[in-house]
Amino acid sequence: RKEVEQDPGPFNVPEGATVAFNCTYSNSASQSFFWYRQDCRKEPKLLMSVYSSGNEDGRFTAQLNRASQYISLLIRDSKLSDSATYLCVVNGVDSSYKLIFGSGTRLLVRP
Amino acid sequence: NAGVTQTPKFRILKIGQSMTLQCTQDMNHNYMYWYRQDPGMGLKLIYYSVGAGITDKGEVPNGYNVSRSTTEDFPLRLELAAPSQTSVYFCASSLLTPSYEQYFGPGTRLTVT
Repeated sequence: RKEVEQDPGPFNVPEGATVAFNCTYSNSASQSFFWYRQDCRKEPKLLMSVYSSGNEDGRFTAQLNRASQYISLLIRDSKLSDSATYLCVVNGVDSSYKLIFGSGTRLLVRP
Repeated sequence: NAGVTQTPKFRILKIGQSMTLQCTQDMNHNYMYWYRQDPGMGLKLIYYSVGAGITDKGEVPNGYNVSRSTTEDFPLRLELAAPSQTSVYFCASSLLTPSYEQYFGPGTRLTVT
C-alpha cells in the first residue's frame, strides 16, 4: 500500500461547480498534513495546511479524519484558474524531516 | 527576495557524464531539500540539510551527492548519469522543519540519454 494515495483524476468540472478530492495515508502516527498545488510544469506551492478541526480559506475547505486516515479538499465555485494538480502531503514519522507527497489529483475546470 | 533559484532549467546528459545542479535561497532558511519528480509520480526526497555543514540522505540518495557549505547554497551532484535519473529535480527550503511551508524552486528538467 502506498503511504499516500490519491485518485489521479482528471476531474473535469464546469466553472462554478463544487469538487472534492480525498487522500488516504497509511501511517496513523502522521501529525502534519498539507495540500499543495502544482501547475503544469511548475513547482509545487502550498495551498493550505490541514488542521484536526478542519479549516477554510476562501473557497477552499480542508478536513482531516484521523480515524479513517483520510484528508479531503473541497473547492467551491470553481474557477478556470483552479485547473492544476493538487498534491496531498503528509509528514513521515520515521524522520521529522521527511514529507511524503501523493502523486496528485488533476483538476480541469472548463468554461 | 528571489526565493529559491535553480540552475540550469534544462539539461541533456549522456550516460556516464556528471553534473551539478545549483540551488540558492535568499530567505535565510535553515532547512533545504532536494526532490525528484518522475512523470505521474509524487516527489521523492533525495537529500536534505538542516543547516550549513549538515546533510543527510532521503528516500532515493543513490547516484547523488550534496554539500552545504553555506546557508544559501545546496548543490546536488550527479555522478555517472544513468537513464533512470531522467526526471525533474526540485530544490526546496523551509524556515523550520518540514511541518512548516516548503518553498520550491522552479525545477531542473534533466534528460539522460
